[in-house]
Amino acid sequence: GQNIDQPTEMTATEGAIVQINCTYQTSGFNGLFWYQQHAGEAPTFLSYNVLDGLEEKGRFSSFLSRSKGYSYLLLKELQMKDSASYLCAVRDSDYKLSFGAGTTVTVRA
Amino acid sequence: IAGITQAPTSQILAAGRRMTLRCTQDMRHNAMYWYRQDLGLGLRLIHYSNTAGTTGKGEVPDGYSVSRANTDDFPLTLASAVPSQTSVYFCASSVSSGEQETQYFGPGTRLLVL
Repeated sequence: GQNIDQPTEMTATEGAIVQINCTYQTSGFNGLFWYQQHAGEAPTFLSYNVLDGLEEKGRFSSFLSRSKGYSYLLLKELQMKDSASYLCAVRDSDYKLSFGAGTTVTVRA
Repeated sequence: IAGITQAPTSQILAAGRRMTLRCTQDMRHNAMYWYRQDLGLGLRLIHYSNTAGTTGKGEVPDGYSVSRANTDDFPLTLASAVPSQTSVYFCASSVSSGEQETQYFGPGTRLLVL
């Protein structure tokens, strides 16, 4: 089975930085994805990591350590529109995605 | 470009009724997926199809069936709905089921079974 853990909620101030951690234990590993989901909407792709290290995309960065079963999503220069749920998902040996329950980030003015 | 469409947007259904959720994509993606999303549990895979003509079971397939007669359409059927199937259902697709293929999600169907 798959076990993917991430915090339930985080709150931060506009302009600040927030780091969302994700730990996983899965049967095989073929990459880790981060998705953003605004309330009442579909998840949208943010980032993909398959090798150890940091991937940067504008204000968002994602880090992976395969040996530790650990990833984080870093959101910089937070904006009000970043208030959303962030989903960590791991692709297993059968190339199927298993999702964490999601972290709800609230950005306050 | 529509991407992925789902119908209906929402539905209230009496327990025991049969219901088909529709999903259509115009991106010519080979792989398609059905997930349900419940509060506190995240997205869980119900069924998937790696290519037209093939389907497979995901994590929570019981009570659901799918078919993949062509590339574009991937309907999900609840043969006899039960209240525990109240959820938000998302259809997704990807170019293929292989490495580095990002899944793109439809807008979702909100289903309430009474």
